[in-house]
Amino acid sequence: GAVVSQHPSWVICKSGTSVKIECRSLDFQATTMFWYRQFPKQSLMLMATSNEGSKATYEQGVEKDKFLINHASLTLSTLTVTSAHPEDSSFYICSARGGPSYEQYFGPGTRLTVT
Amino acid sequence: QKEVEQNSGPLSVPEGAIASLNCTYSDRVSQSFFWYRQYSGKSPELIMSIYSNGDKEDGRFTAQLNKASQYVSLLIRDSQPSDSATYLCAVRGGYSSASKIIFGSGTRLSIRP
Repeated sequence: GAVVSQHPSWVICKSGTSVKIECRSLDFQATTMFWYRQFPKQSLMLMATSNEGSKATYEQGVEKDKFLINHASLTLSTLTVTSAHPEDSSFYICSARGGPSYEQYFGPGTRLTVT
Repeated sequence: QKEVEQNSGPLSVPEGAIASLNCTYSDRVSQSFFWYRQYSGKSPELIMSIYSNGDKEDGRFTAQLNKASQYVSLLIRDSQPSDSATYLCAVRGGYSSASKIIFGSGTRLSIRP
């Protein structure tokens, strides 16, 4: 199956700093990438959808100036959490869609802890 | 009404039995349906996709789709403790293959030895 990687797998940062998370599709070209957030024992929450070369589309309630998304190529998207606060601590998961069936594959996730 | 509904569980099934997971969806024009498995602390993993009415089998897994009833199910035969996880039903809404996938909130499955 298709492989999606994320880096880093976990990160601890201080309140007020920014953190960048990378998402790469390793063996296919992803026309669309998605960023999700998941709090403990809760379901996936879609944050934004990004298409290569265009601005991301954010879901209602997600601050686009706080969660910066860049989809610079067909294999790379980045999510930057700016001025992170403890309430931003969560499991961030990217997903990439591509190939003839438009199936969606998830990266392994990044666990962010803001102290 | 949620777009994709699942019973949150937990669903407890004895080892070796058949686990049956159900899902209903609201968008009648949906064309693509998926089941993902998510272990605690891990990201979801695609285990089955189904696009037409009927059954689709892959190893111990069978996905069933009934578009008239707007119902999707996943059967797991010969359940193993390693099948204990949360199972997410996902539906691609609309006619376009580029449409967004909507996820249910998941059913927690527990296989008891």
